[in-house]
Amino acid sequence: NAGVTQTPKFQVLKTGQSMTLQCAQDMNHEYMSWYRQDPGMGLRLIHYSVGAGITDQGEVPNGYNVSRSTTEDFPLRLLSAAPSQTSVYFCASSYGTGTFRRGALETQYFGPGTRLLVL
Amino acid sequence: ILNVEQSPQSLHVQEGDSTNFTCSFPSSNFYALHWYRWETAKSPEALFVMTLNGDEKKKGRISATLNTKEGYSYLYIKGSQPEDSATYLCASQDTGRRALTFGSGTRLQVQP
Repeated sequence: NAGVTQTPKFQVLKTGQSMTLQCAQDMNHEYMSWYRQDPGMGLRLIHYSVGAGITDQGEVPNGYNVSRSTTEDFPLRLLSAAPSQTSVYFCASSYGTGTFRRGALETQYFGPGTRLLVL
Repeated sequence: ILNVEQSPQSLHVQEGDSTNFTCSFPSSNFYALHWYRWETAKSPEALFVMTLNGDEKKKGRISATLNTKEGYSYLYIKGSQPEDSATYLCASQDTGRRALTFGSGTRLQVQP
């Protein structure tokens, strides 16, 4: 298994440009999420999905869009890049059915990250 | 939104020292506490997931305890080695949600 993969590894954008960060997993995980990591702030949740066709907002969703058309893929779209979106982006996935089951301990598996610089 | 705090922010120890750090989290609606190890230029890797008050987990020289009533967890490293140098993240999980709320981490550097 490749686990969680992310592309690209590094990207430079100009303010106002749009782009899509790709995330894929081959573990048949239902739950997928996007985080951004900024110095001194840990990992902050942007959006998450509990299954194909279902997405929801996290702590910092503004300026980002997601969709989940398949179990495997969870792309993150930047609609109009801003310097404040300069960050490292991590995708993560965990096993689980569409409904959260109490008692299920669901470790999240992280991708290698995408470093984004917006000028 | 939970507020998860970790202390200290950073720690420098000598090889062979034992060390511990703290994660505090709101105890209401608590479901699970996760610990991750994050090496520079890599992605976070899971260490432990704990749910029950008094839970204790161990993996080699690393162990963790959980107190859900007072809302804290300790991570211990016995006889630190240079390869233990990393940022240690804790994350709290609410009842009924998969989303994790992360602390800002404790950065550990072990000097040979």
